[in-house]
Amino acid sequence: SQELEQSPQSLIVQEGKNLTINCTSSKTLYGLYWYKQKYGEGLIFLMMLQKGGEEKSHEKITAKLDEKKQQSSLHITASQPSHAGIYLCGADIVGSQGNLIFGKGTKLSVKP
Amino acid sequence: GAVVSQHPSWVICKSGTSVKIECRSLDFQATTMFWYRQFPKQSLMLMATSNEGSKATYEQGVEKDKFLINHASLTLSTLTVTSAHPEDSSFYICSARWRVAHEQYFGPGTRLTVT
Repeated sequence: SQELEQSPQSLIVQEGKNLTINCTSSKTLYGLYWYKQKYGEGLIFLMMLQKGGEEKSHEKITAKLDEKKQQSSLHITASQPSHAGIYLCGADIVGSQGNLIFGKGTKLSVKP
Repeated sequence: GAVVSQHPSWVICKSGTSVKIECRSLDFQATTMFWYRQFPKQSLMLMATSNEGSKATYEQGVEKDKFLINHASLTLSTLTVTSAHPEDSSFYICSARWRVAHEQYFGPGTRLTVT
């Protein structure tokens, strides 16, 4: 079974609406990374979470890591067309020596 | 954030030839660099991990003789695809990390097409 589940696979929202993307690991995480990718381009680092219960925000994007360190959510407030892209979570799983395992990604489209 | 560059950004080569892709950390020293492969509309698949000055660690199923990785300095890692075949066509992305538990920063990727 997949070690890292990301949901939803795709999301279409109206501009101005809020949205949430989830990332769930079957194993305890040492750290959880969120990235944004546009098709055919590299990954843009958004946030890294390491502590249980940690929450970080940057502009209109907030990411949280649950207390058990197995689930993270990425929340975008008042979405804009510039938020469109593929969001990937990367998990640093305990025992993986810092190598990241990636979810399959969430494709976000924002309708103006 | 830190900057990682890749060169070339895209390359087309003939079957049987070798191609070298460079990955550089521009404003920090990367003790570890990672090489990923990404197929269209799929997630990243880790190919190998390289630590400066030591041999790369390859993931299961990745041929080390085909994908040669060199991490000669703290700012440069290279991936050489030897005797490339059309099935090697893909998007290759590198990432760099200063040390364990620190952020991984990704390069912009290299699109390889083998004809």
